[in-house]
Amino acid sequence: AQRVTQPEKLLSVFKGAPVELKCNYSYSGSPELFWYVQYSRQRLQLLLRHISRESIKGFTADLNKGETSFHLKKPFAQEEDSAMYYCAFTNTGGFKTIFGAGTRLFVKA
Amino acid sequence: DTEVTQTPKHLVMGMTNKKSLKCEQHMGHRAMYWYKQKAKKPPELMFVYSYEKLSINESVPSRFSPECPNSSLLNLHLHALQPEDSALYLCASSQVLAGGGGELFFGEGSRLTVL
Repeated sequence: AQRVTQPEKLLSVFKGAPVELKCNYSYSGSPELFWYVQYSRQRLQLLLRHISRESIKGFTADLNKGETSFHLKKPFAQEEDSAMYYCAFTNTGGFKTIFGAGTRLFVKA
Repeated sequence: DTEVTQTPKHLVMGMTNKKSLKCEQHMGHRAMYWYKQKAKKPPELMFVYSYEKLSINESVPSRFSPECPNSSLLNLHLHALQPEDSALYLCASSQVLAGGGGELFFGEGSRLTVL
């Protein structure tokens, strides 16, 4: 079955600390993986996607096909990073994007 | 215009009412989506339109009826809903790439309450 697992519902870190939001997926083919973010009172928006291999707002995510993981990392968390983060994947060539349960990141001053 | 616009933002309806949710985008995207999001849960896919044709229906009850009148508009017609259908309904759009979708652009959602 196609599935995205985000094991942490809530992650609380201090400002300046490293942060890692975990994501594992279950899919037999080649998925396209994304991290979406929802800041308070804003719409859900793309943070980054694995095929672009970019760093957005200091966040990076590497696709590990062996571990079927796509963890989101940032070396130094900022208060403005506090938001809801969803890992998601789409089957290549398809339209069905499946979201994980989400992790709420809270960065404390 | 790089936004997906949804109306109304809030809707309260009775179980016997008929209402519609509307979604519009002018980014030239040829795939449009309806998602349902309950409180503290991730978005769940309901329908996908590709080139104005319904390509995915995730076994949604017939009391929800989607419509894509043209490449910029997407409607969701609601009839005889149940209180458990109360949720945030999100519209999204995307380009069509290599036969599939890509980055989703979301609207702010229509918050529906069924009494």
